[in-house]
Amino acid sequence: IAGITQAPTSQILAAGRRMTLRCTQDMRHNAMYWYRQDLGLGLRLIHYSNTAGTTGKGEVPDGYSVSRANTDDFPLTLASAVPSQTSVYFCASSEGSLYHEQFFGPGTRLTVL
Amino acid sequence: GQNIDQPTEMTATEGAIVQINCTYQTSGFNGLFWYQQHAGEAPTFLSYNVLDGLEEKGRFSSFLSRSKGYSYLLLKELQMKDSASYLCAVKADDYKLSFGAGTTVTVRA
Repeated sequence: IAGITQAPTSQILAAGRRMTLRCTQDMRHNAMYWYRQDLGLGLRLIHYSNTAGTTGKGEVPDGYSVSRANTDDFPLTLASAVPSQTSVYFCASSEGSLYHEQFFGPGTRLTVL
Repeated sequence: GQNIDQPTEMTATEGAIVQINCTYQTSGFNGLFWYQQHAGEAPTFLSYNVLDGLEEKGRFSSFLSRSKGYSYLLLKELQMKDSASYLCAVKADDYKLSFGAGTTVTVRA
């Protein structure tokens, strides 16, 4: 089934631990994005990649890093988790970065204690 | 930064019509998107407007006025399954999407 998958579905993490959230799409989309969604704040862009091999910072990049080694995968890493990173994380992809709609993965619910 | 405003909550009766307004102030404009998000699920694309006017898609329509920085999403013949959050998002000069906080619509029988 074509689409975008994320893993894990949910995770509870101790503060200070390193964590990688995985995102894979099989639609051969060029652009991929990571968002966090917090109550009352809506979706905020963390990092993005317009094409394999390139990445850029979004609105709230601090404490997060990404890589885009190939078209399909776009992992998000928290080097040293803090409680303020407790959130729901959505990965998304789009055919291009210009006028195309974004398709979202099912999300990862992360709790940092 | 970008500023996108939409009401927090709206309630309507099954079979009725609801209009969700969105106003925006952004650095440039490359299109406005509406997404639907059911509780605990991912957002799904509903509509895209880049030119002024109305786009109709079944029971849902979206309107854009670029000069006023204004859009609305119109939901007609409301059904219980339309209870969800509706997200307004604008693509500005940098081609990144900026989202409003979302409008939670509750449909009552």
